This record gives sequence, structure tokens and C-alpha cells, in this order.
Amino acid sequence: DSGVTQTPKHLITATGQRVTLRCSPRSGDLSVYWYQQSLDQGLQFLIQYYNGEERAKGNILERFSAQQFPDLHSELNLSSLELGDSALYFCASSVEDRNYGYTFGSGTRLTVV
Amino acid sequence: GENVEQHPSTLSVQEGDSAVIKCTYSDSASNYFPWYKQELGKRPQLIIDIRSNVGEKKDQRIAVTLNKTAKHFSLHITETQPEDSAVYFCAASINYKLSFGAGTTVTVRA
Repeated sequence: DSGVTQTPKHLITATGQRVTLRCSPRSGDLSVYWYQQSLDQGLQFLIQYYNGEERAKGNILERFSAQQFPDLHSELNLSSLELGDSALYFCASSVEDRNYGYTFGSGTRLTVV
Repeated sequence: GENVEQHPSTLSVQEGDSAVIKCTYSDSASNYFPWYKQELGKRPQLIIDIRSNVGEKKDQRIAVTLNKTAKHFSLHITETQPEDSAVYFCAASINYKLSFGAGTTVTVRA
């Protein structure tokens, strides 16, 4: 167990629908990062939150949004889902002010049918 | 932002041989370089890291080298075993933010 908790582990939904992925960071970590990993692809950075505020944005579609709550858990909202959104979505957390790398959660596997 | 290039994209080695993965980075301000291993369907896990004030670091069969002048760093796996088969990602950090390479799929042939 990495200490980063992601739910649900698997999600199957239809095109056009909306889903919410949840992430609880490791205790003491203030930064949360979301990544998308499609089949046989690398880690595509979506967005970062630090202590409740958006800190950096990557290749995140307008149909996607995220937020980080006062208890530091984060949610990634994906709407108007398309087949191409099927992927593994990873959340990672880190201590912002020290270089100890990121700790990844186990991911949510999203399948859009 | 930082740009990290990783080579090769795939690597097949005979069990017992060595594997080497190379990464280059663009921003000389990068100061921390972790390596992650991702087994199929699982999360990326940190396996070794190196900081910019160190040239080499070793942990059992894995080692990482850093050449700050040339802005490249490498992962070396010796005496490869079947359980080393995975995707490996390098990363470089500026201001505590990681930029990842595209990954190398390593296959160890028995």
C-alpha cells in the first residue's frame, strides 16, 4: 500500500456520461497530481493541486475538471465521455517542498463503452 | 518547461545480461532524477533516484549515473531477471515538479 488511495479501482460507463474519480493523498502530502495513461502510452500529466489550489495544468481537456478539498482529497471529473477517454487514471501525491519524488496510487481503470 | 527524452522505447535482453536506459533533459536547473518501474496494470513505483550533487548511486542490481554537463542520466540493471520485465520511466525535477520520459518497455528473455 503506497498510502495514496484511489477509488473506484474500475469503472465502466457509456459514452456521453460523467464520472468522478477520487484520490486521497499520502498523509502529510499537500500536492496532488493527476495523470492519464492510455494503452501502451506514457504518463500524460493532467493537472496539479497544492493545498487546495490549482498549481499547474497539463494536457487536460475542457471536458475534464478537478478540485482539491480542505481535507486534501482530490476529485477528477470527466464529462461527455468518449471512447478515447478509456484509460488508467493515476493520482500521485508529494511533499511540495522536498525532492522525494511522487507516490502513485493504484489507479482507476476507466472503460467507456 | 522541462523536456525529458528517453531511449530506447523498447529493450529486449537475455536473462543475466545487463540493460541500460538513457534519458536526457533540457533544463540545467533540474536537480532531482527519479526512476520508476511500472509492472503491467500496476502503479509506477520509485526504484531509485539521484540528486544533482551526486554522480552515481547504486542499489543492489540497479544503478543510476548522472552527467550534469551533458544533461543526461542513465539506469543500469545488471544480471537481469524475469521480474525486471516492466516499463521504466525516468523523470527530472525542477522546483519539485517532475517531468517524465515516455518510458522504456524492458523484456527479459528466459
